[in-house]
Amino acid sequence: QVQLQESGPGLVKPSETLSLTCTVSGGSVRSYYWNWIRQPPGKGLEWIGYIYNSESTNYNPSLKSRVTISLDMSKNQFSLYLNSVTDADTAVYYCASGGSSFWQRFDPWGQGTLVTVSS
Amino acid sequence: QSALTQPASVSGSPGQSITISCTGTSSDVGGYNLVSWYQHHPGKAPKLMIYESSKRPSGVSDRFSGSKSGNTASLTISGLQAEDEADYHCCSYTGSSTFYVFGTGTKVTVL
Repeated sequence: QVQLQESGPGLVKPSETLSLTCTVSGGSVRSYYWNWIRQPPGKGLEWIGYIYNSESTNYNPSLKSRVTISLDMSKNQFSLYLNSVTDADTAVYYCASGGSSFWQRFDPWGQGTLVTVSS
Repeated sequence: QSALTQPASVSGSPGQSITISCTGTSSDVGGYNLVSWYQHHPGKAPKLMIYESSKRPSGVSDRFSGSKSGNTASLTISGLQAEDEADYHCCSYTGSSTFYVFGTGTKVTVL
């Protein structure tokens, strides 16, 4: 059974880069879609983007200029980088598998990690 | 791409049925049969409950069912149980560069 676990700093200063890693266990990252999704306090979920096999990425246009998702098949991990962060980027960040089909459904998810942007 | 609209809260007594709506546009919910629903207990990982508008993953109780009509998708929970108390989020493929848009989220309370 595939399990996902997010890791990374819980506090990031404004204007710096948020970096998170999702470690996948119980299955290979190869040939699956891998996503990042976030939930700001008191708000709904927001899809950030996905990566597939290191050859294909797509990002939410609202974040596209600041976000990069990368995949490390040797470590069975994928990562999120969000630069020039502001208070508005404070959120619980989730990683999720989108499955092997282009028509994704997010399953499973990690438990999420809270990232606070503050000086 | 605007978030899909869900009621902020829905409540019901044990054993009752409740329905959560998820309203979008012809560019998302209405344009594709690709709505999914997620149950989220605070502090835990969200769980897929319904995909492709009405399909239930193995292991999900048949008390959960999904449907779609026009630009509105719905999740029905029948035989409401205390463990169903959670937040529920819908999500739709959009066919645009946004790819996926989530709903505003609904808190389900079991009275």
